[in-house]
Amino acid sequence: GDSVTQMEGPVTLSEEAFLTINCTYTATGYPSLFWYVQYPGEGLQLLLKATKADDKGSNKGFEATYRKETTSFHLEKGSVQVSDSAVYFCALSEEAGTALIFGKGTTLSVSS
Amino acid sequence: DAGVTQSPTHLIKTRGQQVTLRCSPKSGHDTVSWYQQALGQGPQFIFQYYEEEERQRGNFPDRFSGHQFPNYSSELNVNALLLGDSALYLCASSQRQRGYTFGSGTRLTVV
Repeated sequence: GDSVTQMEGPVTLSEEAFLTINCTYTATGYPSLFWYVQYPGEGLQLLLKATKADDKGSNKGFEATYRKETTSFHLEKGSVQVSDSAVYFCALSEEAGTALIFGKGTTLSVSS
Repeated sequence: DAGVTQSPTHLIKTRGQQVTLRCSPKSGHDTVSWYQQALGQGPQFIFQYYEEEERQRGNFPDRFSGHQFPNYSSELNVNALLLGDSALYLCASSQRQRGYTFGSGTRLTVV
């Protein structure tokens, strides 16, 4: 079945450092891909998404490009802030409006 | 505009008991999905309700059941609780095939 694999955390960075969180997926069709963020004590918030190959999703300085040839959707940010500290989840959905399949999450901790 | 509201926020139950969790979707949303998030894990899909019918179900036993009401709110019921059912239960609402809005979840502890 479909699955999502994320890099193990925690990831610990200093403020203004470059961030990459790797995500690869396995799917039978052509899924939509997502990054969600979860702050302590809160639910999940959609960070960005891409619905087809070579699409780039972006939001709040974060970016990810849908790479069909490598089945990847790596999350990047050029300069992280302390406020970016959270858990990041990569996810896919085979069809719009259907179940999301999540990775295990990567904890990011940014210090000043 | 209220987002997704879940209740209760926390609860503690004993093994073998039954529990009901509640979710009010975001205004304008007609579809409700439930997820289980164990500690340190990603959310796992339980089921989705649309037009008061279960439209899609994940790999969860029949002890997990749900309901959607005419006002689109939803309940998740878990019977014969096991220690392994301890988790954060997330509700997500959507409108047709558009994006999901997640609630803050209900933290269930089974002792």
